Amino acid sequence: GAGVSQSPSNKVTEKGKDVELRCDPISGHTALYWYRQSLGQGLEFLIYFQGNSAPDKSGLPSDRFSAERTGGSVSTLTIQRTQQEDSAVYLCASSLAGGPGELFFGEGSRLTVL
Amino acid sequence: GENVEQHPSTLSVQEGDSAVIKCTYSDSASNYFPWYKQELGKGPQLIIDIRSNVGEKKDQRIAVTLNKTAKHFSLHITETQPEDSAVYFCAASGWDDKIIFGKGTRLHILP
Repeated sequence: GAGVSQSPSNKVTEKGKDVELRCDPISGHTALYWYRQSLGQGLEFLIYFQGNSAPDKSGLPSDRFSAERTGGSVSTLTIQRTQQEDSAVYLCASSLAGGPGELFFGEGSRLTVL
Repeated sequence: GENVEQHPSTLSVQEGDSAVIKCTYSDSASNYFPWYKQELGKGPQLIIDIRSNVGEKKDQRIAVTLNKTAKHFSLHITETQPEDSAVYFCAASGWDDKIIFGKGTRLHILP
């Protein structure tokens, strides 16, 4: 498809398990962002990739969270040893290079930690 | 780092009336201010944005104003319609291209 694709759309896991969330950005978009949306908490910035530059990880809430972007395209957000407070919708967005501009969001991955 | 405050968290207006949502930001170096609309079960979508070299921008029923001195920007929706009901987010971005969002405003259009 032409939009940002995220998978899985829903994930239910047990506390302590690891999870991986995948994002396929729009082809040709060099910037990729991950945000977390919890109830009533807006869009919390997690991490930002821009081309081949080192990612801005300043929003990752703990060392249990990590993200990769392979080949400048697909990104994976990994949460290790999940906790109940990790339950949220994780949104990925991509944009063209050249400064801040329109973000194109996927529909998100809803994570529920039991 | 940048911090964006958004008010109100919930807003109800009569259909046909105007709605105003206000945001403040903390980093004076920020120069890009977008607004996003999120409908239920979907990702946010850009509805309008403004850069710091202009004070106002309008697109049909939607307008955004920016006061750089006060570090304040606002979204104005006129002649509201039922399809305007959604959650609206303001955001700010500066030299590092990191886009920081406010906590959102749930807008209800009353019939």
